[in-house]
Amino acid sequence: AQKITQTQPGMFVQEKEAVTLDCTYDTSDQSYGLFWYKQPSSGEMIFLIYQGSYDEQNATEGRYSLNFQKARKSANLVISASQLGDSAMYFCAMSLYSGAGSYQLTFGKGTKLSVIP
Amino acid sequence: GAGVSQSPSNKVTEKGKDVELRCDPISGHTALYWYRQSLGQGLEFLIYFQGNSAPDKSGLPSDRFSAERTGGSVSTLTIQRTQQEDSAVYLCASSPGGLALQETQYFGPGTRLLVL
Repeated sequence: AQKITQTQPGMFVQEKEAVTLDCTYDTSDQSYGLFWYKQPSSGEMIFLIYQGSYDEQNATEGRYSLNFQKARKSANLVISASQLGDSAMYFCAMSLYSGAGSYQLTFGKGTKLSVIP
Repeated sequence: GAGVSQSPSNKVTEKGKDVELRCDPISGHTALYWYRQSLGQGLEFLIYFQGNSAPDKSGLPSDRFSAERTGGSVSTLTIQRTQQEDSAVYLCASSPGGLALQETQYFGPGTRLLVL
């Protein structure tokens, strides 16, 4: 069974510092995608960054970068220069073909990030 | 442009009653997904629509749960004879085609359901 593990239920970071949120995944498929979403207290899931299993370079989107280590099956999110507005839940998710006509996202349980002023 | 919208934002109901949750996807998106998020948990896939058909219903937890989509747009998730364990946030997402690994799903704000 495919699964996503986020081992940090909660993290604290000082404003303007960098923080790494851990994510490991488990699949026997060769083709998969890895996503990170942010969920503020308002509840909406906001897409942050995507990494494909065949992408050789780590994905970057502004202050977000994904540290992809395929052999270790890890896809850690790095947020540089943390801001107070980064305080939220962060979810790692894996996209796999379900075999039933769709690409399903499987989510981890999330990490709650709190940015301290 | 307008994002995914869901209604109601909050719903309180009594055990045994039926509820309907609505999702309005981003205009032009053919793929639509329903997820459930229980307190302190990640998202659990429920059902996927491609146009008006649902080729993947594998995540529906019981036959009390059903969903439909009409006109390739609005979708309704219905929970019959609600139970307390149905209390959760129900999130809807849409994506342009649904047929690519790297396609981003865009989420609505969710409906918070509380069954008393």
